[in-house]
Amino acid sequence: DAKTTQPPSMDCAEGRAANLPCNHSTISGNEYVYWYRQIHSQGPQYIIHGLKNNETNEMASLIITEDRKSSTLILPHATLRDTAVYYCIVRGLNAGNNRKLIWGLGTSLAVNP
Amino acid sequence: NAGVTQTPKFQVLKTGQSMTLQCAQDMNHNSMYWYRQDPGMGLRLIYYSASEGTTDKGEVPNGYNVSRLNKREFSLRLESAAPSQTSVYFCASNSNGGQETQYFGPGTRLLVL
Repeated sequence: DAKTTQPPSMDCAEGRAANLPCNHSTISGNEYVYWYRQIHSQGPQYIIHGLKNNETNEMASLIITEDRKSSTLILPHATLRDTAVYYCIVRGLNAGNNRKLIWGLGTSLAVNP
Repeated sequence: NAGVTQTPKFQVLKTGQSMTLQCAQDMNHNSMYWYRQDPGMGLRLIYYSASEGTTDKGEVPNGYNVSRLNKREFSLRLESAAPSQTSVYFCASNSNGGQETQYFGPGTRLLVL
C-alpha cells in the first residue's frame, strides 16, 4: 500500500470549511483513498473513500487530483464536534494484504468557536 | 444493532498475568481485526480473520493469540502480559475485506504494571 503524508495539525473556525490535505504520490492504479476520523478516546469512524472521481456524502467531500497523487477532505461547515484526528489511508484491492489498512499519524483538526 | 462491541472497557494487569479481550459484531461481517494504538503512533494491526475459521498475523502479532470463535466473535488473548502491551486495543470488522469500510468498536484500555 502507498504511504500517505498529512500535516500533523490544523485549525478551523466553527462554521467555516475545513480542508484537510493528503499526499499519496506513490499511489497505484487500483488503490483507493480512504478517510477516517477518531474523536478523542473513541474508535475510528469511516468518513468517505474514492478511486479517482470526486465523492460526496452527508459527512464530507473528497477531492482527488487528476494525477491521483494527492487528495483533500472537505468538511463544508465545521462544528466543534468535528474536532478529531483525521486519517488518510491508501489501500489496494487485490494485493496480498488487501485487508490491511496502514495507519499513519493523521491530522489533528481543532475546530475553534 | 449495536455494531462492534468490546469488553472490558478498562483493565489493569500485573506483569505475567493473562487475559482475553472480547469482541463481537452483529453486522454479519466476514472479516474481523484487532489493532493496538499507542501514543504518538498510528493504529497497528495485530491479527485479523478474513472469515470464520481463519486467522492471520498482522504487523505486531508477538505476545498475542486470537480465536475466531464463530462469525460474530473474535477474541484476543495475552498469555503473559508485559508492560510493553499497555495500549488501547480496537476491534474492527467489515463484510469481506474488499473495499468495504471497517467498523470499529469503542476500544479496551489496558494497563500492564
